[in-house]
Amino acid sequence: DIQMTQSPSTLSASVGDRVTITCRASQSISTWLAWYQQKPGKAPKLLIYDASSLESGVPSRFSGSASGTEFTLTISSLQPDDFATYYCQQYNSYSFVFGPGTKVDIK
Amino acid sequence: QVQLVESGGGVVQPGRSLRLSCAASGFTFSTYAMHWVRQAPGKGLEWVAFISYDGSKTYDVDSVKGRFTISRDNSKNMLYLQMDSLRAEDTAVYYCAKAKRLQWEKDVFDIWGQGIMVTVSS
Repeated sequence: DIQMTQSPSTLSASVGDRVTITCRASQSISTWLAWYQQKPGKAPKLLIYDASSLESGVPSRFSGSASGTEFTLTISSLQPDDFATYYCQQYNSYSFVFGPGTKVDIK
Repeated sequence: QVQLVESGGGVVQPGRSLRLSCAASGFTFSTYAMHWVRQAPGKGLEWVAFISYDGSKTYDVDSVKGRFTISRDNSKNMLYLQMDSLRAEDTAVYYCAKAKRLQWEKDVFDIWGQGIMVTVSS
């Protein structure tokens, strides 16, 4: 089974900071990787799909990239609305595994 | 607008059954794969089950195999999760979610319901 890891598990940052979150797959998933944002008490929201495609309506400060089995979500300039938990997810196989999440909080 | 609304949650004793429903609107339900995802209190997201757009294929996570059954009624725009032999560890918010692309099976989830709480406790 494919395993997904994320780092860091928690990230403290300030408004305006450039933030990078890393996700690693235990085996090749091509670019079948998504990023979601979740705020407390709310459903997850799709940000990035196919590793680097921006979902419609998502601000352009969010971007994704891939290198082998390592994937990165970057927020170019953190905004107050971005404090949340971020999850990666693979959809290369029928296991649709999520990463454990990265919580971005206020420094 | 595109919307998913879950119902059927609540408190249930261990070993009992519960059926969750998800009402879809605003899109051609019969042409998209669907999923159930859960989140235990204070924990991360766990994918639970998948059903293809026409209901011909289903997959689920090992922890629910033989106990949970995903199904759909395309004539009613409804998705279901039948949960039998419930355990305390099944306690979670359950979300239904839609695949993004027409008839794709291995795909991202672009629309999510608001979630419904299921508590398994004696």
